[in-house]
Amino acid sequence: EVQLLESGGGLVQPGGSLRLSCAASGFTFSIYAMNWVRQAPGKGLEWVSSFSGSDDGTYYVDSVKGRFTISRDNSKNTLYLQMSSLRAEDTAVYYCAKAGSVFLGELSSFDYWGQGTLVTVSS
Amino acid sequence: EIVLTQSPGTLSLSPGERATLSCRASQSVSSRSLAWYQHKPGQPPRLLIYGASSRATGIPDRFSGSGSGTDFTLTISRLEPEDFAVFYCHQYGSSHSFGQGTKLEIK
Repeated sequence: EVQLLESGGGLVQPGGSLRLSCAASGFTFSIYAMNWVRQAPGKGLEWVSSFSGSDDGTYYVDSVKGRFTISRDNSKNTLYLQMSSLRAEDTAVYYCAKAGSVFLGELSSFDYWGQGTLVTVSS
Repeated sequence: EIVLTQSPGTLSLSPGERATLSCRASQSVSSRSLAWYQHKPGQPPRLLIYGASSRATGIPDRFSGSGSGTDFTLTISRLEPEDFAVFYCHQYGSSHSFGQGTKLEIK
């Protein structure tokens, strides 16, 4: 059974930093692209970042480029999102999501999602 | 960036009725790289449809997807009480983007 468990969310002041983790199990983590998607309060889903399963390619939505860094540790089956220079508009539930296809790589639908972790940026 | 526009914003229907949700892209979505998700409060999104028309594992056949290019549709043939939720389309042919969502509510 595929399981994704996010952790690391919490309350942080504007300009601060936070690192999210996503522990994966139930599939061969290293060969799948992995993703972060967020949902701000009362808003829709927004893709944030992807990490390729075939090379070290990383991809970001424009609003987080230069502030967020996605990484993965295949030996620990864990995906990370290092967030810095946080802004109020980064407040959201952050979901970890698995790519649905090894073949399509990072350009794939998301077939499994974690329960999410809440990040609140406020003074 | 491909912008996805979903309509209607809210759809009010009764169990047993047919639901038709629309997703229009600002430019052609390559290789029919379009997915639909169901999202209920307090739960993660659930993949329903990928590749515009392929049902994900375990999804009932009352859910179907169609379309290509810039116009896509999710149809729920006969609504069950558990189907009411927010639905999102997602294009993954050119980076990623989501529509703003359609709320399907009980009439």
